[in-house]
Amino acid sequence: DSGVTQTPKHLITATGQRVTLRCSPRSGDLSVYWYQQSLDQGLQFLIQYYNGEERAKGNILERFSAQQFPDLHSELNLSSLELGDSALYFCASSVGASGGAGGETQYFGPGTRLLVL
Amino acid sequence: QQQVKQSPQSLIVQKGGIPIINCAYENTAFDYFPWYQQFPGKGPALLIAIRPDVSEKKEGRFTISFNKSAKQFSLHIMDSQPGDSATYFCAASGSARQLTFGSGTQLTVLP
Repeated sequence: DSGVTQTPKHLITATGQRVTLRCSPRSGDLSVYWYQQSLDQGLQFLIQYYNGEERAKGNILERFSAQQFPDLHSELNLSSLELGDSALYFCASSVGASGGAGGETQYFGPGTRLLVL
Repeated sequence: QQQVKQSPQSLIVQKGGIPIINCAYENTAFDYFPWYQQFPGKGPALLIAIRPDVSEKKEGRFTISFNKSAKQFSLHIMDSQPGDSATYFCAASGSARQLTFGSGTQLTVLP
């Protein structure tokens, strides 16, 4: 158990709908990262928040948005859903955000499996 | 320049064998290279990580070899067991810390 929790575990919805995925980081971690895992694109970084502020953006569609709340949990909002948005969405957390001489270990949650019909 | 290339796509070894998974990167700004293990239905779990000032790192049965000049790194699993059957991902990050992942290697260890 990584200490990162994600809800819901599974989500089935229809095209055009909007969903919200929730992530609670490990205790003490200030950074939250969102990744998408699909068969054709692999594991791809979407967006990072650090202590409530957006820190970095990756391959995130304009239909997707995220935020990190004062209690450090994060939500990923996916709107105008398309069939191609079906994927596993992972949240990861780490203590820090950037800089330094080395890396920051990222701990991944169990993921939310989204199926768009 | 952000890509991390991983090979092979799949690998089958006998119990006790030493599977080797290779990765290559292009971005010289990367300074952190972790390997993750993922079982079906689970999130990736960190196995071992290395920084470019070290050429080799061992943790239990897992070893990373790192060649900075060639921009390559590899994972070796000693005395592999059926329980090691999983998908393995190499990754890399720079100062911004978001991970760029390889495409994954599906490892099967036969009993």
